[in-house]
Amino acid sequence: EPEVTQTPSHQVTQMGQEVILRCVPISNHLYFYWYRQILGQKVEFLVSFYNNEISEKSEIFDDQFSVERPDGSNFTLKIRSTKLEDSAMYFCASSATSGGAGEQFFGPGTRLTVL
Amino acid sequence: ELKVEQNPLFLSMQEGKNYTIYCNYSTTSDRLYWYRQDPGKSLESLFVLLSNGAVKQEGRLMASLDTKARLSTLHITAAVHDLSATYFCAVDMAGTASKLTFGTGTRLQVTL
Repeated sequence: EPEVTQTPSHQVTQMGQEVILRCVPISNHLYFYWYRQILGQKVEFLVSFYNNEISEKSEIFDDQFSVERPDGSNFTLKIRSTKLEDSAMYFCASSATSGGAGEQFFGPGTRLTVL
Repeated sequence: ELKVEQNPLFLSMQEGKNYTIYCNYSTTSDRLYWYRQDPGKSLESLFVLLSNGAVKQEGRLMASLDTKARLSTLHITAAVHDLSATYFCAVDMAGTASKLTFGTGTRLQVTL
């Protein structure tokens, strides 16, 4: 069964360093998303991406964040200068369509720890 | 701003009992999803509810949606230990590409 994959599963970095989180969405999906979940809290939307551009982003997704689809399969989230409060689980999701039956399928997550 | 609230936040129940988790949301939407999350794991899709009055059942779980009341329920029948997890509802707001606004989560603990 097709699934969303993410690498790495755990990333430890020093404050101020750049990190890139990688995702491979389900192959025929067109819509891509990043969410994050701070430990013990709810899941928060970061950004949605369609047709090689950002569709929508939240207030959390400031200038330190960027997303890219560098090739036909990968979808990346870059944090330019990490802060302590960026420590969280980051989930990638993809869907075949938007809204309606556009069920989002989530990857296993990358746990980011900023020291 | 869309707000999605769940209650209870924590539920401890004995095996064999029934209970309902409630999900209220603040803005009109007719698309609601339920997810299950085990500790340290990802989100597993349970139900997709796409219209007013939608009811879906899978095993001991049944979800319903009342868009007029802006309320969804997740009913657990005869709980078993394997259902212990955190359950999130998520509301889908219409847009170019849907974003999900998640509820606060309900941590369910089923005791023997």
